[in-house]
Amino acid sequence: AQRVTQPEKLLSVFKGAPVELKCNYSYSGSPELFWYVQYSRQRLQLLLRHISRESIKGFTADLNKGETSFHLKKPFAQEEDSAMYYCALIINTDKLIFGTGTRLQVFP
Amino acid sequence: GAVVSQHPSWVICKSGTSVKIECRSLDFQATTMFWYRQFPKQSLMLMATSNEGSKATYEQGVEKDKFLINHASLTLSTLTVTSAHPEDSSFYICSARDLAGGHEQYFGPGTRLTVT
Repeated sequence: AQRVTQPEKLLSVFKGAPVELKCNYSYSGSPELFWYVQYSRQRLQLLLRHISRESIKGFTADLNKGETSFHLKKPFAQEEDSAMYYCALIINTDKLIFGTGTRLQVFP
Repeated sequence: GAVVSQHPSWVICKSGTSVKIECRSLDFQATTMFWYRQFPKQSLMLMATSNEGSKATYEQGVEKDKFLINHASLTLSTLTVTSAHPEDSSFYICSARDLAGGHEQYFGPGTRLTVT
């Protein structure tokens, strides 16, 4: 069955430290993965998708099919990065399956 | 950018009553909209896929007679929680997929439902 796993509920780092939010997936088809972010009191918004291979706000994520992972990374965390981050897998071309989310806290 | 609105943003109702939540795509057309439910400190769970002009597709375990979905136009989908009970209290979020935007879904701000 398809599943997205985010093992960390909370990740706390100091400003300037590297950040890695883990995401693993289970899917028999060809995976298409996303990272969504939800800042405090704001709606969920797309951060990046693996097919774009882009860097948004300094974040990158590489799809590793061998390890079935799509970890989100940023070399130097900023306070404004504090938010809830959700990894998501799209199945059947339109259904999003979300992970349980990781709350990132960046301390000054 | 693509904007999705939801109305109301929060609602309190008594057990046994029905509540309607609207989801609108403001500046784009959406043949497909999605309804999610989010419990406190938990992830979003897809409830159903709403297709304009046809019946919604419900996820396993979601009662279609309890959660009525209507997608009457390319910019509006409604979710009606019928005969609400306290266990229906939750945060309901919709998203819409832009016809021209590939797989990206744009999310509404959510509606908090409290059933007393």
